[in-house]
Amino acid sequence: GAVVSQHPSWVICKSGTSVKIECRSLDFQATTMFWYRQFPKQSLMLMATSNEGSKATYEQGVEKDKFLINHASLTLSTLTVTSAHPEDSSFYICSAEGDSSYEQYFGPGTRLTVT
Amino acid sequence: AQSVTQLDSHVSVSEGTPVLLRCNYSSSYSPSLFWYVQHPNKGLQLLLKYTSAATLVKGINGFEAEFKKSETSFHLTKPSAHMSDAAEYFCVVNEGGKLIFGQGTELSVKP
Repeated sequence: GAVVSQHPSWVICKSGTSVKIECRSLDFQATTMFWYRQFPKQSLMLMATSNEGSKATYEQGVEKDKFLINHASLTLSTLTVTSAHPEDSSFYICSAEGDSSYEQYFGPGTRLTVT
Repeated sequence: AQSVTQLDSHVSVSEGTPVLLRCNYSSSYSPSLFWYVQHPNKGLQLLLKYTSAATLVKGINGFEAEFKKSETSFHLTKPSAHMSDAAEYFCVVNEGGKLIFGQGTELSVKP
């Protein structure tokens, strides 16, 4: 149980285009989902917290107009990187929090490369 | 603000020998601490967690960690390393529902 999926697992896009990443909790409902960013050989940095049906809360230094987060249902959150640039190339990881345990379950990550 | 510091960026052990991955935390109150493992191209997996119950926490795959308040440490250990243990390990603290990750320790296991 407690499986989180991400789609796509890997995406290449041209500079200036937008990319949408999906995060799904497959066998549980997640009122809260989190988005992290991980640069090569570095740790995970929390970008934002999203609660179903409300606006996401962004961490300091994260541009909310560039990283659009939507959490429209209890099993799906999306992260859209708008007008992507090469410096946005990174590994994006989502996690979902179960209601009963408050434990975070992580997705496998999405590797974004902007050319 | 709470934080965790992983004292080694890279640890190398031989298969069958003990593993020690060090983590120190800073917190003004009793924290919730975790160890996660990240294998290449796979999602983060929870190894174990401390939430103010027993100070010695047993996790999956033979790993355990001991919470030592006097030393503000939460080191991860395993008696005998296996080749499949080679991965990146993260010490994590929960701060108000948010997970704060340490810098990570890459564990290499030599045959």
